[in-house]
Amino acid sequence: DQQVKQNSPSLSVQEGRISILNCDYTNSMFDYFLWYKKYPAEGPTFLISISSIKDKNEDGRFTVFLNKSAKHLSLHIVPSQPGDSAVYFCAASITGNQFYFGTGTSLTVIP
Amino acid sequence: GAGVSQSPSNKVTEKGKDVELRCDPISGHTALYWYRQSLGQGLEFLIYFQGNSAPDKSGLPSDRFSAERTGGSVSTLTIQRTQQEDSAVYLCASSHDMRNTQYFGPGTRLTVL
Repeated sequence: DQQVKQNSPSLSVQEGRISILNCDYTNSMFDYFLWYKKYPAEGPTFLISISSIKDKNEDGRFTVFLNKSAKHLSLHIVPSQPGDSAVYFCAASITGNQFYFGTGTSLTVIP
Repeated sequence: GAGVSQSPSNKVTEKGKDVELRCDPISGHTALYWYRQSLGQGLEFLIYFQGNSAPDKSGLPSDRFSAERTGGSVSTLTIQRTQQEDSAVYLCASSHDMRNTQYFGPGTRLTVL
């Protein structure tokens, strides 16, 4: 039972344009959401998080949007850079207990 | 400072053998998590340790899986009588506490022949 879903396994974007990665969840009790980036042969690295009391969190080129009514999370990267090419996982948790991860979206930024 | 380290980086074993995977968390981190990622799947939670509390083992897929954390630091994940479906990358993560950002190790790729 996949409680966090990333329905796009891959995404290609031109350098300089916006990358939008999407994530849907089913459990309305989730109150903390995170995005991780993963390069091949490395563990995931934390990118950005958002609490359910907010609907937007911004950190440099990265912005996460949370739509609780739609149970939808998105990560915007602008402008996209070739070094952003990686697999992006979204994750959700209830009060920091178990974290449920999506299956990942592979982003390719084309120079 | 040093990040989370895991050993071995790769492990190939025969079906039916036992394996031990090791995780060295970041010093001072009280929470430690084990996950696995099978091909085409998302990260699957296995177990987490928080300080001296009893671990949350609810994610362990069968009784062939066990984990311990000695002295609140190093953790070992043991898989007994390995099966081919155990083949995956096993990731360890640690954090200051349950709510904080998790820092992941590079993972151990387990292949069961």
